[in-house]
Amino acid sequence: GAVVSQHPSWVICKSGTSVKIECRSLDFQATTMFWYRQFPKQSLMLMATSNEGSKATYEQGVEKDKFLINHASLTLSTLTVTSAHPEDSSFYICSATTTVRGYEQYFGPGTRLTVT
Amino acid sequence: QKEVEQNSGPLSVPEGAIASLNCTYSDRGSQSFFWYRQYSGKSPELIMFIYSNGDKEDGRFTAQLNKASQYVSLLIRDSQPSDSATYLCAVNTANDYKLSFGAGTTVTVRA
Repeated sequence: GAVVSQHPSWVICKSGTSVKIECRSLDFQATTMFWYRQFPKQSLMLMATSNEGSKATYEQGVEKDKFLINHASLTLSTLTVTSAHPEDSSFYICSATTTVRGYEQYFGPGTRLTVT
Repeated sequence: QKEVEQNSGPLSVPEGAIASLNCTYSDRGSQSFFWYRQYSGKSPELIMFIYSNGDKEDGRFTAQLNKASQYVSLLIRDSQPSDSATYLCAVNTANDYKLSFGAGTTVTVRA
């Protein structure tokens, strides 16, 4: 149990375009979902926390107008990178948790974004 | 002071040996502690969680928690080359489901 999927697994886009990444909890209802970014050889950086039906809470320094997060249901959250630039190229990973399971987070497989 | 600190490694151990990973945390009120394994180019995978002082064993993995010393460790017994990865220590420091992650310890198991 506790399977989280992400789509797409990798994407290449041109500078200035927008990219949407989906995160789904497949076998449980996710009370809360998280979005992380990870640059090569660095640790995870939390970008935002989202709860179903409410606005996401962004970490300090993360532009909420650039990284749009929507948590439409208990099994789906999306991250849209708007007007992407090469410096947005990174590994984006979502995770999900539920009050039933406690505080452990289950991670999706990640999306590798390359902006050219 | 970082909230969660780990030795960055790399930690190199021979196959069959015990790998010992350490983690300290700063928030004395922390309640939940997790170990994740991350292979290169992949996302983290939960391997252990521990809530109470003492040891918790799961297969070849043992997590140890000492809240008085604000210390959590992970032992990997009979290390295998497939255990070569970065191990992330994570701590829940507030009742809002966020986790604070350490920078990770890279483990290499030599065949």
